[in-house]
Amino acid sequence: EADIYQTPRYLVIGTGKKITLECSQTMGHDKMYWYQQDPGMELHLIHYSYGVNSTEKGDLSSESTVSRIRTEHFPLTLESARPSHTSQYLCASSEYGFRAGELFFGEGSRLTVL
Amino acid sequence: AQSVTQPDIHITVSEGASLELRCNYSYGATPYLFWYVQSPGQGLQLLLKYFSGDTLVQGIKGFEAEFKRSQSSFNLRKPSVHWSDAAEYFCAVDGRDTGNQFYFGTGTSLTVIP
Repeated sequence: EADIYQTPRYLVIGTGKKITLECSQTMGHDKMYWYQQDPGMELHLIHYSYGVNSTEKGDLSSESTVSRIRTEHFPLTLESARPSHTSQYLCASSEYGFRAGELFFGEGSRLTVL
Repeated sequence: AQSVTQPDIHITVSEGASLELRCNYSYGATPYLFWYVQSPGQGLQLLLKYFSGDTLVQGIKGFEAEFKRSQSSFNLRKPSVHWSDAAEYFCAVDGRDTGNQFYFGTGTSLTVIP
């Protein structure tokens, strides 16, 4: 079993609220990712990190922000949520080196913005 | 640019029947290829991966996949499907020349009927 955890699993909030989706991993992986997943669509990379104090935007433009202050923690924040942010957000991590190719996923955070 | 195509959006098979899920990729060099499975309400779990060597790779839960360079394909197979195999299946390619970003297909939803 992968040791990567996301909270909350489900969140329903009103427009304009600030939200933070938490992601933690206990595997010591340097690389971490946030993907956005909508039904019938490929997973879209919105943020990634190579290590502490490293954050990069992914292919899909997102109004969210991330931080990487500790290796194990990679939270995603929306300052002012809107209905267009309704989606499932998946956090993942991977290890450098030969096994850099394998991603370990959390169970996801399903966000609904009313 | 890297891309992954899963031409079948949805497949229905009878329990005990064989299964093949198609995946085609576009990549300039020999890719790292993966199949992931996502059960309802869960994150993605790695089924199998191809880095190099033997083009027929074995994975968990009785799945296998064959890399065919000439066809740019990496199809997933299982000789006898179980009801618990009902899930969403994603093919992915590791874009090693773009900072280890993964590119996922749109997924194939598998329904298993008794």
